[in-house]
Formats: sequence, structure tokens, C-alpha cells
Amino acid sequence: NAGVMQNPRHLVRRRGQEARLRCSPMKGHSHVYWYRQLPEEGLKFMVYLQKENIIDESGMPKERFSAEFPKEGPSILRIQQVVRGDSAAYFCASSPPLKFEAFFGQGTRLTVV
Amino acid sequence: ILNVEQSPQSLHVQEGDSTNFTCSFPSSNFYALHWYRWETAKSPKALFVMTLNGDEKKKGRISATLNTKEGYSYLYIKGSQPEDSATYLCAFHAGNNRKLIWGLGTSLAVNP
Repeated sequence: NAGVMQNPRHLVRRRGQEARLRCSPMKGHSHVYWYRQLPEEGLKFMVYLQKENIIDESGMPKERFSAEFPKEGPSILRIQQVVRGDSAAYFCASSPPLKFEAFFGQGTRLTVV
Repeated sequence: ILNVEQSPQSLHVQEGDSTNFTCSFPSSNFYALHWYRWETAKSPKALFVMTLNGDEKKKGRISATLNTKEGYSYLYIKGSQPEDSATYLCAFHAGNNRKLIWGLGTSLAVNP
């Protein structure tokens, strides 16, 4: 069973461009979470999704950020019109339906230049 | 606002020393407390999930205790080894919410 797969591992975008981060959860996991780690800060919750549904997006910035977890395919975190302050490591985690233990991917490091 | 506090922020010990660190969390609306181990350039790996007051969990030389009434958990490492060097994170689940609230971690360095 492959772990949580995130790609790309590193992403460089110019200010104003769009960033798309992908996360394939572990097989059998229907819950996906996105976390962000800003420089010198801890992990911060962004959004929690089940297949085709956003359950909790209380940690998502109100503008430019969106997430989806379609019926088929990976979960996508999309950041439009990126700014320097979006530079961070973005981690995805997944968990099975009846358990709370989350399994993490290796993260995508976004750098906005 | 839910806060999870970890102390110390960093720790340097010699190989063979035993050590422990603390995680403090809100004592109300408790559901679960998680400990994760995070090595540099890797992803966080779950160590323990603890749900009951008085829980004690053990995995090899690492163990953890939980006090939900006063809102703290201790992680112990017996006979530290260089490969134990990592950041140890705790995370709190409130109620039945799957969202994890994270502490900033304790960074452990074990010198050979």
C-alpha cells in the first residue's frame, strides 16, 4: 500500500501565477486534510475533505485558495494569483473512514518569486 | 481559540540519556491526543493516538501518558539514541472534529 503521495515536491511560481498541488491519499482512505507550514511556524490546518465534499475549510484563506477531492483522482489544493506570503510547505494527510490517525505525505514546498 | 503548547522547544541530550517533553492542551471537549515524530525532509509519522484519561502507551523505548482532566501529556524516551533525533509533535482533537490542532513541536538532538 503506497503512502500518501504528493506532487510536485517542489514548485516555483512567479507572483500572480496559479499553483496546483496534488495529493493522492492512501488506498481505502476517504478523508483528506491539507496543512500549511509557514517558515518558522508550526503546522496549521487548512481544510478537511471527504470524497466530493468539503467538510471543514475554517483554516483556508477566504480568497485565492480552493480545494477539491473529486470522486476520481487526487485531491487538489489550488492557489490563484500567488503572492510571496504563500511560500510555505503544504502537507496533505489522509485517514480511513473510522479512524482518526492521519498519514502524511512528504509535502510540496512552494516558493513564490 | 484552541492552543496546544509544547515544551521545551528544543532539547540536546547525550546518547543513553533518558528524556521527556510535555504537551499541554485544552482540558474541555477532549476527544483524542496524537503524538507524531517528524524527521527532517520526511513526513510526520504517527507514534500514538491516546483517548482515555490515564492512558499509557509504549512503543519500544518511547512511551506516553495522558491526563485529560488537567490537559497534559508526557512523551518519554528511554536511553536516547542518535536516530531518535527528530521533532516530536503533539496534536489535539476537540469533540468529534477531525481537524487536528498542532503544537509547535519539541526538537530533539541526540549527540553520539
